Amino acid sequence: AQKITQTQPGMFVQEKEAVTLDCTYDTSDPSYGLFWYKQPSSGEMIFLIYQGSYDQQNATEGRYSLNFQKARKSANLVISASQLGDSAMYFCAMREGPGGAGNNRKLIWGLGTSLAVNP
Amino acid sequence: ETGVTQSPTHLIKTRGQQVTLRCSSQSGHNTVSWYQQALGQGPQFIFQYYREEENGRGNFPPRFSGLQFPNYSSELNVNALELDDSALYLCASSFTGGLTDTQYFGPGTRLTVL
Repeated sequence: AQKITQTQPGMFVQEKEAVTLDCTYDTSDPSYGLFWYKQPSSGEMIFLIYQGSYDQQNATEGRYSLNFQKARKSANLVISASQLGDSAMYFCAMREGPGGAGNNRKLIWGLGTSLAVNP
Repeated sequence: ETGVTQSPTHLIKTRGQQVTLRCSSQSGHNTVSWYQQALGQGPQFIFQYYREEENGRGNFPPRFSGLQFPNYSSELNVNALELDDSALYLCASSFTGGLTDTQYFGPGTRLTVL
């Protein structure tokens, strides 16, 4: 079974509008972390935002916010005021287990969503 | 603060050859993870190094091996290259001991096996 599911292979948004990219996850571990990364065509994976499973508030970083619904196991990324430079692949990833424990903390990834921002 | 660097950026090899990819971690980080990203896919975890020892491994054969050096830089070695090894190889560094273990990535190495 897929641990990270991104159901939108491609999305389009008009410049200056907001867009939501979907991510659902599956884990039985009570402690986990959820990450969103942006990958432009150059290939570099750029960290955007993090949400811990015990965090009470939804994470925000500038124009990025994470709509975390724990009971539904979803962690959707919201990009406000889209810019042309936001056109890229967006990946949702999960770390199972608590951060900082010193054990293997690999990231498990979805297949990504391709976002195109139209002028 | 110096970010994660990788070398080379592009590489072309033939089947059966061996390749070494290099990664310098971000300053202050002590852990390096390697991922393979095939075209159109999400990254797949290869292995992680912490304190110069392998700290976990994904579903990759033993011909994928690595090292971490005292300065926390790392190498990924692939022996007996196969056509399916063609991919983007991503190195990520992180600080084990922090709250989030956020991994920061380098620009990647694009390996083509002919």
